[in-house]
Amino acid sequence: SAVISQKPSRDICQRGTSLTIQCQVDSQVTMMFWYRQQPGQSLTLIATANQGSEATYESGFVIDKFPISRPNLTFSTLTVSNMSPEDSSIYLCSGMLAGGLYTDTQYFGPGTRLTVL
Amino acid sequence: GQNIDQPTEMTATEGAIVQINCTYQTSGFNGLFWYQQHAGEAPTFLSYNVLDGLEEKGRFSSFLSRSKGYSYLLLKELQMKDSASYLCAVVDSNYQLIWGAGTKLIIKP
Repeated sequence: SAVISQKPSRDICQRGTSLTIQCQVDSQVTMMFWYRQQPGQSLTLIATANQGSEATYESGFVIDKFPISRPNLTFSTLTVSNMSPEDSSIYLCSGMLAGGLYTDTQYFGPGTRLTVL
Repeated sequence: GQNIDQPTEMTATEGAIVQINCTYQTSGFNGLFWYQQHAGEAPTFLSYNVLDGLEEKGRFSSFLSRSKGYSYLLLKELQMKDSASYLCAVVDSNYQLIWGAGTKLIIKP
């Protein structure tokens, strides 16, 4: 298994500012993902974080709004840029262990609860 | 389009058995996951099915019928701590993970 930590656990931000969320995994993972989850709803995949290259974004999400970095196999950041109240959500990082495919188990971080005023 | 259907909410009694159903229509199939998510916490892995049949793991079992596009999660000897949301997720032909909206399970004494 893998232990995933995220920082910050929660934040309250002003409209128009940016927040960077950090994700650290205690094991080497092949795939890292960033999700958004509204209260009471399912997970929405934002992007796949690729080591050393640009992230792969899902429909409806763009790099200018959600820049992602992944400098190595155990660390990634997601920035929520130029925030608006609609960005208020829980942001979750997840990873699959080295050697895994999409059919392998994803391990999730505890999430970052973001509130934009 | 791709679709995963689960009941929104279910209620069961402590000590009883509950079955949470999941039906899916996806472009291809490469496996189905069940995750448990307690309120305010991250999802945690429960089971993975890729072949038809029943997989048992302690009090939890998961069943899959690929021909029917159907799975269920069976929880036995329910405990109060089983109150959580249960998420069904399917891996499609492009190896994308398609998530259901989750079923909120409420356990009553």
